[in-house]
Amino acid sequence: DVKVTQSSRYLVKRTGEKVFLECVQDMDHENMFWYRQDPGLGLRLIYFSYDVKMKEKGDIPEGYSVSREKKERFSLILESASTNQTSMYLCASSRPGSNYGYTFGSGTRLTVV
Amino acid sequence: GENVEQHPSTLSVQEGDSAVIKCTYSDSASNYFPWYKQELGKRPQLIIDIRSNVGEKKDQRIAVTLNKTAKHFSLHITETQPEDSAVYFCAARMAGTALIFGKGTTLSVSS
Repeated sequence: DVKVTQSSRYLVKRTGEKVFLECVQDMDHENMFWYRQDPGLGLRLIYFSYDVKMKEKGDIPEGYSVSREKKERFSLILESASTNQTSMYLCASSRPGSNYGYTFGSGTRLTVV
Repeated sequence: GENVEQHPSTLSVQEGDSAVIKCTYSDSASNYFPWYKQELGKRPQLIIDIRSNVGEKKDQRIAVTLNKTAKHFSLHITETQPEDSAVYFCAARMAGTALIFGKGTTLSVSS
């Protein structure tokens, strides 16, 4: 069964901490994405990547950065966590091209206190 | 950039009834329109998708229609069952970009 795996299901961090959210896929997909999901706001795009070492900003990149050193791994970094970054974070991957759907990870519920 | 509006935000139907969820998109260059179902506590799962060269697509009780002129697309679920209860998201995508999602519709099917 193909998978997108997010390293943590639940995470609690303190304000100001640097936070790493890891995502690994085993489908040899070129494309990887990070979204955050908040009630009533749907899924909002933070960053995405179409290849190793490349990244593109999404709609809400402020306060986040990403790293893609290997094809299978896409990391989301919260440089200095704030309470308004408390959210569900979803990673996804897809085949190249614009006509393919995503496979999502199970999500990481991050609480910043 | 692309913007996707989804309506209604909540929808309650009786088992066996049909349910329709509608989405509009802003950028006429969008060419791919998937629908995702997210059950409580689970990840979103792709249930059906349509490409811009097709007007309608069916998969058992689920169908999606696309009107490129009006820039809207809809999800139709017939003979609804309690297990159809979930949050449904529409999305749109232009070539070379990522999916932009609607805000979701919470569907409740009561028996």
